[in-house]
Amino acid sequence: QAVLTQPSSLSASPGASASLTCTLRSGINVDTYRIYWYQQKPGSPPQYLLTYKSDSDRQQGSGVPSRFSGSKDASANAGVLLISGLQSEDEADYYCMIWHSSAWVFGGGTKLTVL
Amino acid sequence: EVQLVESGGGLVQPGGSLRLSCASSGFTFSSYGMSWVRQAPGKGLEWVSSISSSSSTIYYADSVKGRFTISRDNAKNSLFLQMNSLRDEDTAVYYCARDVPDYWGQGTQVTVSS
Repeated sequence: QAVLTQPSSLSASPGASASLTCTLRSGINVDTYRIYWYQQKPGSPPQYLLTYKSDSDRQQGSGVPSRFSGSKDASANAGVLLISGLQSEDEADYYCMIWHSSAWVFGGGTKLTVL
Repeated sequence: EVQLVESGGGLVQPGGSLRLSCASSGFTFSSYGMSWVRQAPGKGLEWVSSISSSSSTIYYADSVKGRFTISRDNAKNSLFLQMNSLRDEDTAVYYCARDVPDYWGQGTQVTVSS
C-alpha cells in the first residue's frame, strides 16, 4: 500500500469548490505530519502551494491566492487541499507530499478538471 | 527572484553516467537544503535525493542508493547529481528544488536508451 494515496481525477465547475484528499497509509498518523501541496500544469515544473499541519502551523506559498487552503480530516487520516471559487486556470495536476522515514514522499497526484 | 537552472541532461546508454548541475541565484544558497526530484514521462513526482546546507546530511531514495551521488559547492551556488549505472527506468525530467521544496527549476531531460 502506498504511503500517500490521492484520487486520480476530480472534476468540478467554475465558481464551485473542490476538495482534494491525500490519505495516509494506515499506521501513519496524519496529525504528526506537515502536508505539502503542489500544483503542476502541463510542460511546467511543480509550483509550491502551501503547507498544513494545524491551524497554528501552516504556510502559504509566495503569491498563492487565499482561495487555496489546507486542512486535515482526522477521521479519514487525510490531508485536504480546498480550492474555492474555481477558475479555469486551476485545471492542473495536484500533488501532496510528506517527509516520512528520511524521505520526501509524494502522492500519485490528482488531475483536476474544471468544466 | 529565486532562480534554479538545471543542466547536464541528455541521452545516455544503459550503464552509462551523467552529471547534472543546478545553478542558483536570488537567495543565500549556503543557507538552504536542496533536493533533486524526477518525473518520468506521463508519471508523477519522485523524490531522488536531498542534501543539507552544509552537506553534513544526505538522503537518497532506495531506487538510486549506491548509484547516484548528490553534492554541492556553496562557493559557486551550485548543486550536483552524479548518476552512474543508469537504467532505462531512470529516464525522466530531473528537477532541482530548494528546501522543502518550495522553488523548482525548469528541469533537465535525462533519457537512458540504447
